[in-house]
Amino acid sequence: QINLKESGPMLVRPTQTLTLTCTISGFSLTTSGVGVGWIRQPPGKPLEWLALIYWDDDKRYRSSLRNRLTITKDTSKNQVVLRVTNVDPVDSGTYFCAHYTHLFDYWGQGTLVTVSS
Amino acid sequence: DIQMTQSPSTLSASVGDRVTISCRATQSVGAWLAWYQQKPGKAPKLLIYAASILGSGVPSRFSGSGSGTEFTLTISSLQPDDSATYYCHQYNDYQYTFGQGTKLEIK
Repeated sequence: QINLKESGPMLVRPTQTLTLTCTISGFSLTTSGVGVGWIRQPPGKPLEWLALIYWDDDKRYRSSLRNRLTITKDTSKNQVVLRVTNVDPVDSGTYFCAHYTHLFDYWGQGTLVTVSS
Repeated sequence: DIQMTQSPSTLSASVGDRVTISCRATQSVGAWLAWYQQKPGKAPKLLIYAASILGSGVPSRFSGSGSGTEFTLTISSLQPDDSATYYCHQYNDYQYTFGQGTKLEIK
């Protein structure tokens, strides 16, 4: 059974770096074709894809946020980490991680992040 | 980036109604189109992928059609549990994008 769970701080100050962790189970990030992505959703707004890391460590980023995002994986811990630098209140929202095989088919429950001073 | 536009933005219908939600892409995505259902405070649930293939465990009253730039999600007989926001999502271009959502309310 595929499961993903996001964790991270609920509150982050503006200009700080947000670090989020996705802990996976039921699948391996060493399996060919598999990836894990991050998608966020500001309150009351649509979904916005942020980043994707593949089993072979290839990475993709949302073009408009490329210089602020870093996605990494630790297969020994079954974790994928997303870092967002220099956060602003517009970065507030629920952050989801999702299992990827050509599309995002299984999602975590999400973690709510508020950026505020 | 490929922009996805859904219509309508909100929809109110009665139990038993046939409901249709449209999604248009600014350029062809082939059949690389998915539909998700999201309820308040929950993660999106995959309903349809490859434009018309039903996701695992999804009721048969849901169906999808279309290709290229025009897609449709249909609920053949609306049920109370279908109250949710629905999103289309293109995964043809790796700058993955979602529609703005259609909020479906039950009268």
